[in-house]
Amino acid sequence: GENVEQHPSTLSVQEGDSAVIKCTYSDSASNYFPWYKQELGKRPQLIIDIRSNVGEKKDQRIAVTLNKTAKHFSLHITETQPEDSAVYFCAASPPGSARQLTFGSGTQLTVLP
Amino acid sequence: SAVISQKPSRDICQRGTSLTIQCQVDSQVTMMFWYRQQPGQSLTLIATANQGSEATYESGFVIDKFPISRPNLTFSTLTVSNMSPEDSSIYLCSVDGWKDNEQFFGPGTRLTVL
Repeated sequence: GENVEQHPSTLSVQEGDSAVIKCTYSDSASNYFPWYKQELGKRPQLIIDIRSNVGEKKDQRIAVTLNKTAKHFSLHITETQPEDSAVYFCAASPPGSARQLTFGSGTQLTVLP
Repeated sequence: SAVISQKPSRDICQRGTSLTIQCQVDSQVTMMFWYRQQPGQSLTLIATANQGSEATYESGFVIDKFPISRPNLTFSTLTVSNMSPEDSSIYLCSVDGWKDNEQFFGPGTRLTVL
């Protein structure tokens, strides 16, 4: 089955700086890669996703890049703000009707004011 | 996206008892999923619940321990049976979105087993 590795496990940045979180996946057939943000005590929220036919996707301060050859994808947050502090999870999903998500281990991002 | 609710939001249970968690969606969805999130950990898929068929369980999870119902396209239940302290976790349901593979999560049920 799919295995997703995520690093770093913790990341501290100064407000205004950029943050990068990286994930690798094992199943070359996976074709959907979402990122979730989970604030303390709350549900995971889908913040951005990318599919295997695209190399990069942006949404305001957030961007995700995908390298299919290397089987890795990354989340980039620019101009970080204290409200970006949360745990971020990457995930991968296979093609077809199954649609299961395999999650990475998570990254605790702290944005220091 | 759909509005997803779960009941109960939290519970404290005694060892050996069972708890049924409900997941309700405000619109019809094809697929519903149940995840477990142990304290400080990532999310692990327990099973996929499809209406009209038996749930599909992931490796390490069995129907006797986690029976699931999916009576219609807006509702599902997960039962945690014969609980032990190791079952203390947050249990989350998710549903598929409009786009392929998209999933949106319910608020979760925080379970503590004494």
